[in-house]
Amino acid sequence: DVKVTQSSRYLVKRTGEKVFLECVQDMDHENMFWYRQDPGLGLRLIYFSYDVKMKEKGDIPEGYSVSREKKERFSLILESASTNQTSMYLCASSLSVGNTEAFFGQGTRLTVV
Amino acid sequence: GQSLEQPSEVTAVEGAIVQINCTYQTSGFYGLSWYQQHDGGAPTFLSYNALDGLEETGRFSSFLSRSDSYGYLLLQELQMKDSASYFCAVRGVVDGGYQKVTFGTGTKLQVIP
Repeated sequence: DVKVTQSSRYLVKRTGEKVFLECVQDMDHENMFWYRQDPGLGLRLIYFSYDVKMKEKGDIPEGYSVSREKKERFSLILESASTNQTSMYLCASSLSVGNTEAFFGQGTRLTVV
Repeated sequence: GQSLEQPSEVTAVEGAIVQINCTYQTSGFYGLSWYQQHDGGAPTFLSYNALDGLEETGRFSSFLSRSDSYGYLLLQELQMKDSASYFCAVRGVVDGGYQKVTFGTGTKLQVIP
C-alpha cells in the first residue's frame, strides 16, 4: 500500500516562528502536493511539485514556501507563522502527471498562537 | 481558474439512495474525481471520470457530462459508515501548461437510521 507520512499530527507554534512541515511518500511518486483544509472552504492547494527541485504555486501560496530536494520528500515551510495559518495541512502524492488517484497523509493540525 | 460547486450538506436514510451533485469550471478539462473523508481522517479516492457516462464501483457510481460541466456521485444502499464528507475535484490545465487538481468545498453526508 502507498503510504504518505506527515511528520507531526499536531503542532503548536508561536507567531513569527519558522515552521517546517515534512511529508514523505514511499511509492516513488512523481507528484506531491500540499493543501490546507478549513471548515467550509474545502481543500485549497498551496504548492505542488511534479519533479525533484521543481515547484509550482497553487491557489494560496502567500506566506508559504516548499522544498523538494529528494523525490520522496516534500516540505512545506511557513517563513513567519501567523494566526491565520492555523489550519489542517494535508500532503498528497500521485504516481505521475497522467495519474488520477492522489494518496493523502493523515494531516497536521497546526495551531499558531 | 478552476472552480467547483457542490451542496454543503445532505441527509439521507439508511438503505436509501443519495446523489451528490458537482458543477465545475476549468480550462483544458481532463477529468472529475470523487474523494471520501471521514471526520478526523484523510481523504480517500473513490472514482474518476474522464469521459461522459456512468462509472460503477460497487455501491458507488459516478457520472459525468462534459457538455454540462456537471457530475454526480451516487451512493446506493446507504450504510451508517457512509456518513462522511465527499469532495469532487476537477483536473484541468492552468497557466504554464501544468495540470492541476482543484477540490470543491465538500458535501457532508449524514446517514440516519
